Amino acid sequence: DTGVSQDPRHKITKRGQNVTFRCDPISEHNRLYWYRQTLGQGPEFLTYFQNEAQLEKSRLLSDRFSAERPKGSFSTLEIQRTEQGDSAMYLCASNRQGVTEAFFGQGTRLTVV
Amino acid sequence: AQKITQTQPGMFVQEKEAVTLDCTYDTSDQSYGLFWYKQPSSGEMIFLIYQGSYDEQNATEGRYSLNFQKARKSANLVISASQLGDSAMYFCAMREGPDNYGQNFVFGPGTRLSVLP
Repeated sequence: DTGVSQDPRHKITKRGQNVTFRCDPISEHNRLYWYRQTLGQGPEFLTYFQNEAQLEKSRLLSDRFSAERPKGSFSTLEIQRTEQGDSAMYLCASNRQGVTEAFFGQGTRLTVV
Repeated sequence: AQKITQTQPGMFVQEKEAVTLDCTYDTSDQSYGLFWYKQPSSGEMIFLIYQGSYDEQNATEGRYSLNFQKARKSANLVISASQLGDSAMYFCAMREGPDNYGQNFVFGPGTRLSVLP
């Protein structure tokens, strides 16, 4: 299968711990996006990469959040000192410049206890 | 102010009937794109249909069509011949600016569609 892959699918962590999520986009896609979705809401944009360059960051992305895409392929999203409010589904999407729609992964569900 | 409004938190439709899911948007850009995504309980967002702001024809994709009324800033999704597998959350989303800016989508709150047998 060549869809967007996210790992892990579920993560339970204690408040104050650091967590890291991984996203593998569709192989020929040079654009990669991270979104956060809380229960009953639509996804909210976090950040966007074109190749390895992080071109846009939402103000939702506090200094506890960092995202990287070191070689323009997979990306990681790290949350430091997790808080209960970080509990959400973290969605990754990718597409190719010039292609209209973005393809989403199945998400990583984070629960902070 | 909300950029994407979906006023129907939940909708029911009988199998094989058509259903319209409402979406209104707010933007001052002349170039923008409107999208509908489906999110089943598995969590993955599935792209359904796209309408560009300069497209004069309403978009259609199989059983999905987008009723685009630019002056009213509405982009309603019409699903014809509903199937049980259409039961899911449906999100309307907008990309402001031309495509080469990337896609910072703004999503609406969603509508939960339940198809009844």
